[in-house]
Amino acid sequence: GENVEQHPSTLSVQEGDSAVIKCTYSDSASNYFPWYKQELGKRPQLIIDIRSNVGEKKDQRIAVTLNKTAKHFSLHITETQPEDSAVYFCAASIGGGFKTIFGAGTRLFVKA
Amino acid sequence: GAVVSQHPSRVICKSGTSVKIECRSLDFQATTMFWYRQFPKQSLMLMATSNEGSKATYEQGVEKDKFLINHASLTLSTLTVTSAHPEDSSFYICSAPSRSGGGTDTQYFGPGTRLTVL
Repeated sequence: GENVEQHPSTLSVQEGDSAVIKCTYSDSASNYFPWYKQELGKRPQLIIDIRSNVGEKKDQRIAVTLNKTAKHFSLHITETQPEDSAVYFCAASIGGGFKTIFGAGTRLFVKA
Repeated sequence: GAVVSQHPSRVICKSGTSVKIECRSLDFQATTMFWYRQFPKQSLMLMATSNEGSKATYEQGVEKDKFLINHASLTLSTLTVTSAHPEDSSFYICSAPSRSGGGTDTQYFGPGTRLTVL
């Protein structure tokens, strides 16, 4: 089955700096890669996603890149703010309607 | 966007009792729903796929007789933790896919149920 690995487990940046989180997946059939932000005790919130027909997607300060050949994808957050502090999860699934496998998570701290 | 609810949001029970958690898709139909478990400071681990009108599909290592899943309608899936023990204490989250106008599916998550077994 699918296995998603995520690095780093913890990331601390200064406000205004960029943050990058990287993930790899194992199942070449996976074609949908969402990223979630989760605050303590809350449900995961979808912040951006990418499907395998594109290599990059951007939404304001957040961007995601996908390398299908290497089976890895990354989240980039620019101009980080303290409110970006949370746990971020990458995930992989087939089509989005099938089961979603999550990475281990990255705890992001943005220092003011 | 699509909305998924869960009930209860929080439950405390004694060891040995059974607890039922409901997951509802409020404004869309879901033939499939997913159940996850999340221990403190860990990731969401997929437990099972709930299929409307048929048996659930369990992930490796998840006891189907302990975690009973029933998907009796297109908007409701239930997870029953039978004979709960303290090690079952966790955050249980469901999700359901909804199709957008563009024909692509996106998972919508419920708010989660925090189970504490004394």
